[in-house]
Amino acid sequence: DQQVKQNSPSLSVQEGRISILNCDYTNSMFDYFLWYKKYPAEGPTFLISISSIKDKNEDGRFTVFLNKSAKHLSLHIVPSQPGDSAVYFCAASERTYKYIFGTGTRLKVLA
Amino acid sequence: DTAVSQTPKYLVTQMGNDKSIKCEQNLGHDTMYWYKQDSKKFLKIMFSYNNKELIINETVPNRFSPKSPDKAHLNLHINSLELGDSAVYFCASSQEPATDTQYFGPGTRLTVL
Repeated sequence: DQQVKQNSPSLSVQEGRISILNCDYTNSMFDYFLWYKKYPAEGPTFLISISSIKDKNEDGRFTVFLNKSAKHLSLHIVPSQPGDSAVYFCAASERTYKYIFGTGTRLKVLA
Repeated sequence: DTAVSQTPKYLVTQMGNDKSIKCEQNLGHDTMYWYKQDSKKFLKIMFSYNNKELIINETVPNRFSPKSPDKAHLNLHINSLELGDSAVYFCASSQEPATDTQYFGPGTRLTVL
């Protein structure tokens, strides 16, 4: 039973345009969400997080939006850069000591 | 200066062997984790230790045994390796469990032949 889903395995975007990565979850008890970025042969690195008491969190070019009623979060990258090409994982927790990760979306930013 | 390190980076071994993967963090964190990323790219937690005590033990075969000699180290020992154990294993650490950012190691790619 996959509680966190990233339904798009891959996404291609032109440099300078917006990248939108989506994540859906099924557990309404999740109250903390994170996005991680992963380059090949490296471990995931933290990108941005959001608590369920917010619906938006922004950090530079990265913005995460949370829609609790739809159980949906998205990561916006504006403007997209070639160095953003990586696999992006969303993760969720209900503060029970563990995160549940999605399967990732591979973003390719075309120069 | 690597924050979370794992050794070895690659491990190729025969079925039935016993192997260990080591993990060390120099961030001063209290919590450490082992994750498994299988061929379908699911990143699933296996174990978590907080202050050297086991706090998460997911449905993992008891051939897998974590050992935390101190807060900075969490090693993973695997007995009687099976083909299905082939995966990338990531170690991670955080200050607090679940509510805090986790820092991941580079991963260990285990291949069982």
